[in-house]
Parts: sequence; structure tokens; C-alpha cells
Amino acid sequence: GAGVSQTPSNKVTEKGKYVELRCDPISGHTALYWYRQSLGQGPEFLIYFQGTGAADDSGLPNDRFFAVRPEGSVSTLKIQRTERGDSAVYLCASSSRPGQGNTGELFFGEGSRLTVL
Amino acid sequence: GQQLNQSPQSMFIQEGEDVSMNCTSSSIFNTWLWYKQDPGEGPVLLIALYKAGELTSNGRLTAQFGITRKDSFLNISASIPSDVGIYFCAGRTNFGNEKLTFGTGTRLTIIP
Repeated sequence: GAGVSQTPSNKVTEKGKYVELRCDPISGHTALYWYRQSLGQGPEFLIYFQGTGAADDSGLPNDRFFAVRPEGSVSTLKIQRTERGDSAVYLCASSSRPGQGNTGELFFGEGSRLTVL
Repeated sequence: GQQLNQSPQSMFIQEGEDVSMNCTSSSIFNTWLWYKQDPGEGPVLLIALYKAGELTSNGRLTAQFGITRKDSFLNISASIPSDVGIYFCAGRTNFGNEKLTFGTGTRLTIIP
């Protein structure tokens, strides 16, 4: 597609449930990022993939959070045993490799709003 | 996680006024970026700065990369209604694919 696509756009779940959020990056973009944005805050880094591998997962808050990108394109963010504090907008972004006239800047999707009751 | 300090937190201005906001960091960045976010949307890149002291314009927007590499400024001239939104600065340590650290945001409101 033309832009970064995220599904679902809204997800309401109960405390303790398992959640998966999907990101479809811009075609050809090698890098993919997950950010979390709480109300009134800027986006906070979670994890970054270069191809299929996680190049930096230092932002994942704990081991309930996990992300995969098995074929180097679509990525899934997985949250186990959700807690009320996980409620936020989860943003995905992708970028191309710097060079050949581009600077590798991030293009964001519209986000998946997660509400944990 | 770490967030950069942005000020002011919010601004209420009249259409046609100029706007200034800034962003500071306790650590050095080699790239500074400014994004705008509308409700229900993801952040959209406005301006990117790659060199200390650099001054870059994009239409009515002008941004500067501070000499110390620990701050950046964004100015909007002759504001119009579509400028309403939240503006975020972001910094990156290295050029290329790497995580961004975002600021806390400046909410711009235009008073009719």
C-alpha cells in the first residue's frame, strides 16, 4: 500500500488477555519500528527491526511484550497478560535504508489504540 | 523511557501570528527532526536537520539545529487554521536507521 497500515485501529480487551497488533510497512522499507504513545505524551520507542531481526529491543517494557517480523515485511506486536497500564496507542513506522537520495526517515501509521479494561 | 523537554507545553494564538517552540536534551544528538500529529493520526515529518547550526525551511516552517547539538527550535510564520495540532521534536544519535527519542510535545491551538 501507499502508507504504513496498522490493524486493528481500535482494540478493547480485558485485563489478563492476550493481544496481537499488526503492522504492514511501506513496500520495500527494510526497517520497521514500534512505538507506544500514552495520552498527552510523545511516542516512546519499543523495538526496531532491520529485515527479519530485532536490531534493538531495548524499549520493550518487560517480557510480556514481544514482536516478530518473520519475512522481513509485516510485523506483529504481541502482548501477553495485558494490564490496564498497557492502554495506549501503539504506533508502527517504517523507513528505507539511507542512501540513493533518501535519508532513511520514519513514516508512521495511524496507530492501534489499545484499551485494557 | 527518556523524553526530550519541549516548551511551551501548549500555545493559544490568533491566526496570522508567528509561533516559536523549542526542544532541549541532556545528551547530544546528531539528527534533529520535527513532526506534527493530528488527532487519530500518526506523526508526520515536517523538517529534518543533520548538521549542528543548520537552519532549514519548509514553506512557513523554519527549524534550527542548535550549535551544542542538545537543542532545536521550530518557528511557524503567519499561522493558519491547519497548523493546529501537536508538534513533536525527535532526536537521533546516529545517521541512518535507528530509534528516535521524542519530545513531550507542544499543542498549538488557534483562537478564532
